Amino acid sequence: KNEVEQSPQNLTAQEGEFITINCSYSVGISALHWLQQHPGGGIVSLFMLSSGKKKHGRLIATINIQEKHSSLHITASHPRDSAVYICAVSRGADGLTFGKGTHLIIQP
Amino acid sequence: KAGVTQTPRYLIKTRGQQVTLSCSPISGHRSVSWYQQTPGQGLQFLFEYFSETQRNKGNFPGRFSGRQFSNSRSEMNVSTLELGDSALYLCASSLAPATDTQYFGPGTRLTVL
Repeated sequence: KNEVEQSPQNLTAQEGEFITINCSYSVGISALHWLQQHPGGGIVSLFMLSSGKKKHGRLIATINIQEKHSSLHITASHPRDSAVYICAVSRGADGLTFGKGTHLIIQP
Repeated sequence: KAGVTQTPRYLIKTRGQQVTLSCSPISGHRSVSWYQQTPGQGLQFLFEYFSETQRNKGNFPGRFSGRQFSNSRSEMNVSTLELGDSALYLCASSLAPATDTQYFGPGTRLTVL
C-alpha cells in the first residue's frame, strides 16, 4: 500500500463544475504539498499546508491532520485547469513522498 | 527572479555510459532536491542537498550520486546507465530544506538506448 493515496485517478468534468481531488496518507507528516503538472512535464507548486485551509484564486486546499486526509477543490473549473494534480507529503528529512496523481480533463 | 534551470533538457545515452545533469536553483535558495519521474513508478525522491551537504537520499542504488557547489548549483550523476534509468529528472529548489515550498525546474528527459 502506498504511503500516499489519491482519488480519483482520472476525472473528466464539464467546464464550470466544482472539482474535488482527495489525498490520504498513512504516516505522520510535517507538511503536505499539492502540485500541478501540465503535459510536457513542468511542475508547479500550488499549496503547501500543515493545517487548516488555504485559498488561491479558484483553488482551495484543506487538510485534516487527525484523519490524515487532504482535499484540493477547484471552483468554476476551466479547460486550462486540465492537468495532473499530485499530492506529496514531507516527513522532516526524508524528502517528498508522492501520490500517483489525478489526471483531470475539463471539457468545454 | 529567474526560475530553476536544468541542463541539458534532453539527453540520449546508451547502456553502460554515465551522465551528469545540472541544476541551477533560484537565486538565494540553498536547498536543492532531485526527483525521478517514470510512467511506472511516478515521482520518486532521489536526494536533497542543503549548503553543500547531502541531507538524505531516496531508495536508489549507488550508481546515482550528486553534489552541491558553494553557489548552490547542483549536479547529479548516474553511472553505468541501464535501460530503466530512462526518465524525466527534475530538480527543485527551496529556501529551506524539507518543509518549504519547492520550485521545480523543467526537467531533463534522459533516454537510455
